[in-house]
Amino acid sequence: GAVVSQHPSRVICKSGTSVKIECRSLDFQATTMFWYRQFPKQSLMLMATSNEGSKATYEQGVEKDKFLINHASLTLSTLTVTSAHPEDSSFYICSASRGLNEQFFGPGTRLTVL
Amino acid sequence: AQTVTQSQPEMSVQEAETVTLSCTYDTSESNYYLFWYKQPPSRQMILVIRQEAYKQQNATENRFSVNFQKAAKSFSLKISDSQLGDTAMYFCAFIFDTDKLIFGTGTRLQVFP
Repeated sequence: GAVVSQHPSRVICKSGTSVKIECRSLDFQATTMFWYRQFPKQSLMLMATSNEGSKATYEQGVEKDKFLINHASLTLSTLTVTSAHPEDSSFYICSASRGLNEQFFGPGTRLTVL
Repeated sequence: AQTVTQSQPEMSVQEAETVTLSCTYDTSESNYYLFWYKQPPSRQMILVIRQEAYKQQNATENRFSVNFQKAAKSFSLKISDSQLGDTAMYFCAFIFDTDKLIFGTGTRLQVFP
């Protein structure tokens, strides 16, 4: 149990376009979902925390208008990278929590902006 | 501020041997949870082991065990009988009431045949 999926796993887009990444908890209802960004050979950097039906809480330095997060249901959160530029290229990982101080991670999405 | 420090950027071990990865943390909280996550080349984050701070007994999961020293704020991971599949990046992480995981910088472990 406690499986989290992410779609797509890999996306390549042109500069200026927007990209949506979906995160789903497949077999449990997630009270909270988290979005991380990971640069090569580095640790995970928390971007934002989202709860179903409410606005996401962004970490300091993360542009809210650049990284739009929608948490439509207890099993789905989406991250939209708006007007993507090459510097937005990265590995994006979501996680979902069902409480009990434990997070379950999705497999990640590799975004490449040309 | 809560911080997690992993002082070993890279470690290597021979197959079947034992290796210990270090982690220290800083917090003023009294109740929290500590984790070790593994990130293999696939980049999927996998929970290796979890320790609740109020439990004095060290957590164990098969070949993985921790040495939790609360007073010293130390949380090391011991991998016994290392296997090639243990090759991965290992992250120590900490969580308290905010539900936010705070990660260390990671230790890259290479298991050699």
